[in-house]
Amino acid sequence: EVQLVESGGGLVKPGGSLRLSCAASGFTFSSYSMNWVRQAPGKGLEWVSSISSSSSYIYYADSVKGRFTISRDNAKNSLYLQMNSLRAEDTAVYYCARGVVVVPAALYYFDYWGQGTLVTVSS
Amino acid sequence: SYVLTQPPSVSVAPGQTARITCGGNNIGSKSVHWYQQKPGQAPVLVVYDDSDRPSGIPERFSGSNSGNTATLTISRVEAGDEADYYCQVWDSSSDHSGVFGGGTKLTVL
Repeated sequence: EVQLVESGGGLVKPGGSLRLSCAASGFTFSSYSMNWVRQAPGKGLEWVSSISSSSSYIYYADSVKGRFTISRDNAKNSLYLQMNSLRAEDTAVYYCARGVVVVPAALYYFDYWGQGTLVTVSS
Repeated sequence: SYVLTQPPSVSVAPGQTARITCGGNNIGSKSVHWYQQKPGQAPVLVVYDDSDRPSGIPERFSGSNSGNTATLTISRVEAGDEADYYCQVWDSSSDHSGVFGGGTKLTVL
């Protein structure tokens, strides 16, 4: 059974930093791209960042580019999101999601999701 | 950047058919995926690559995509289908990025 468990969320002041983790199990982690998607309170889903299986390809939403860094450790079956210079608008539940990619078809979707971890940026 | 437009809400009586649209410029040339999210829960993939269903998703859920509109169709709607639904594509035109629609709240009357 595929399981994704996020951790590391909490309350942080504007300008502060936080590191999220996602522990994966039930599948060959090193074979899949991984992703972070967030959801502000009462709002819709927003894609944040993606990393390919071998970390060769990394993409960010414009809203977090230069402030957030995605990484993974395939030996530990873990995904990370280092968040710096946090702003109030970064307040959201952050979901870790497994990606399915078919390059020629530009097909990329998220087939399994964790339960999310809440990040609150407030003074 | 690529924009996906969904109606904020759709209402349907039990047993009827719900259709949720997702508009985008020439979206028919992209692969569209749909997620269901119930309150307090993580999203669940219900349709991928326009019209395929993951295992465990009822046949009542189907999708289509052509021109500037993709559609998620839920047949014989049940009370348990009440949820928010999001469409999603991958925009590989310039900076690669995931794109979600704003979401549609499906209300079962």
